[in-house]
Amino acid sequence: GESVGLHLPTLSVQEGDNSIINCAYSNSASDYFIWYKQESGKGPQFIIDIRSNMDKRQGQRVTVLLNKTVKHLSLQIAATQPGDSAVYFCAEKEIYNQGGKLIFGQGTELSVKP
Amino acid sequence: GAVVSQHPSRVICKSGTSVKIECRSLDFQATTMFWYRQFPKQSLMLMATSNEGSKATYEQGVEKDKFLINHASLTLSTLTVTSAHPEDSSFYICSARGDRNSPLHFGNGTRLTVT
Repeated sequence: GESVGLHLPTLSVQEGDNSIINCAYSNSASDYFIWYKQESGKGPQFIIDIRSNMDKRQGQRVTVLLNKTVKHLSLQIAATQPGDSAVYFCAEKEIYNQGGKLIFGQGTELSVKP
Repeated sequence: GAVVSQHPSRVICKSGTSVKIECRSLDFQATTMFWYRQFPKQSLMLMATSNEGSKATYEQGVEKDKFLINHASLTLSTLTVTSAHPEDSSFYICSARGDRNSPLHFGNGTRLTVT
């Protein structure tokens, strides 16, 4: 079923530090995972994705780690900047869902202090 | 890159009226679009999957007669909130993708306020 979050957990970091945002998922049938960034009043913006046959993927300043054993996903942001302040959501897709339906996690609000 | 356009961005309507929200894929054809609803400080909740040329698939607990979805072309899906009530006030977001190997791209959402 859908993930309906309560109040968002928050993460506050200093500008220039690295940020790590975590996400736990429960569906072992999920084979595709995505991280989205959502700024206030806007739709989610794609950051990075990873398939279940991988455990790490790197992008520009971001890294996603996938631990299927404990069903854990993390997003690492290097040298965090004020523009990174937003809400970050992980999303998952089931392996037999060919239509692409995504289920979103509860999200984490990242606040970057200058 | 792929762009999904949503219109209007904000709408205020009176209780009992209907509101239509449009979702367009601007540079790709989308056989499937998705409609989400998001309450403040909460996650996105999938409402329905919109399939071009066929009926939408609604998630459990979402009233299909209240949230009418039409996906008449490969670039346009509409969500109509019928007989809106204040509890329907929310942020409605659509998403779409080109092919099954492409990531979902989201529109910028529609803030609906029902007075």
